[in-house]
Amino acid sequence: GAGVSQSPRYKVAKRGQDVALRCDPISGHVSLFWYQQALGQGPEFLTYFQNEAQLDKSGLPSDRFFAERPEGSVSTLKIQRTQQEDSAVYLCASSEDGRQTAGANVLTFGAGSRLTVL
Amino acid sequence: TQLLEQSPQFLSIQEGENLTVYCNSSSVFSSLQWYRQEPGEGPVLLVTVVTGGEVKKLKRLTFQFGDARKDSSLHITAAQPGDTGLYLCAGVPDSSYKLIFGSGTRLLVRP
Repeated sequence: GAGVSQSPRYKVAKRGQDVALRCDPISGHVSLFWYQQALGQGPEFLTYFQNEAQLDKSGLPSDRFFAERPEGSVSTLKIQRTQQEDSAVYLCASSEDGRQTAGANVLTFGAGSRLTVL
Repeated sequence: TQLLEQSPQFLSIQEGENLTVYCNSSSVFSSLQWYRQEPGEGPVLLVTVVTGGEVKKLKRLTFQFGDARKDSSLHITAAQPGDTGLYLCAGVPDSSYKLIFGSGTRLLVRP
């Protein structure tokens, strides 16, 4: 596609529910990043994929968060037993280059998935 | 602990005024980027600066990377209502590879 597509755009979950957020990166892009953006804050790094390999998951807040990219294209961020503090916008970004030095790459961000946990 | 500190956090100005947003850190960065984010959208890259002391201009926007590669500034001349948005600086620390974002500066330009 022409850009990074994320779905759903909005998700309301009851505390304790599991949610799955999908990211369709730009076709052919090697690198994929997930970020979490709380209201009024800058995005915080969650995890990084190079093709299907998850090379860094150090930003995931807890073991309730899980991300995968099984075929090196579409990625899913899953949050189990959601808590109110999980409420945020989850941003996905992709870049053409497989180098891990993100600053040297051009990241294209999706519009994000806004999660509200009641 | 925020690695990149942005100031001010919020700025409300009249159309036609000039403004400067600052991005500071105690760490050295291999490059710094500036993004603009509108409500309901993802950040959009404005510019990347990679050399200490570098100055880049994008129409009414001027970006500067500090000589020591620890800070950057964004200057907007004759601000327009269309400049309204969240401005984010982001960089890759020399000791890392991950893109780290600042806390953002929310700009409101009143007509």
